[in-house]
Amino acid sequence: NAGVTQTPKFRVLKTGQSMTLLCAQDMNHEYMYWYRQDPGMGLRLIHYSVGEGTTAKGEVPDGYNVSRLKKQNFLLGLESAAPSQTSVYFCASSSRYRGLGYTFGSGTRLTVV
Amino acid sequence: GQQLNQSPQSMFIQEGEDVSMNCTSSSIFNTWLWYKQDPGEGPVLLIALYKAGELTSNGRLTAQFGITRKDSFLNISASIPSDVGIYFCAGQEGGSQGNLIFGKGTKLSVKP
Repeated sequence: NAGVTQTPKFRVLKTGQSMTLLCAQDMNHEYMYWYRQDPGMGLRLIHYSVGEGTTAKGEVPDGYNVSRLKKQNFLLGLESAAPSQTSVYFCASSSRYRGLGYTFGSGTRLTVV
Repeated sequence: GQQLNQSPQSMFIQEGEDVSMNCTSSSIFNTWLWYKQDPGEGPVLLIALYKAGELTSNGRLTAQFGITRKDSFLNISASIPSDVGIYFCAGQEGGSQGNLIFGKGTKLSVKP
């Protein structure tokens, strides 16, 4: 009964380093999403995917790239981390009937120094 | 892009008190959802609303889909310490084809 699993849970990066956050879901959901959460800003959509091999930009896509090579996985990449990318990142998934709600992972806390 | 106005931003209440929060939008939504985020965790769906005027309960939580379809309300009765967390509203834009739009959240603190 895993739902949405995110790895890693915590990470500290130096400015300019790169990293990939992994999201895996076992609910056979078609859609997947990456959000960032900052104090007072709520949840802001970075990128999303409506199916394997397809991705689309959300509200705050700059500085991030994503890939969805397998239906169950959605990767978020930071090519050159900046302090402004210090945040908590959440992955979510949903069926194509988005009104039924999204299932969220437990988050990755990223600090860029 | 579309934004939801969620209020209040934060609340400090005494255990046993009732809580009310709401979300408003400038456009009509067909779906309203309410989520709770416990500290250090991801948001979890509490209640989903699909019809204007709909009133739905989940234990001590009650949510309503406003008749104008531009707002929704969440009430928590007789709060307890485990109600602490951030509550988010979400609405679906663009009919059944749109992504969910999230409010900025209401942070609830409960004093025992």
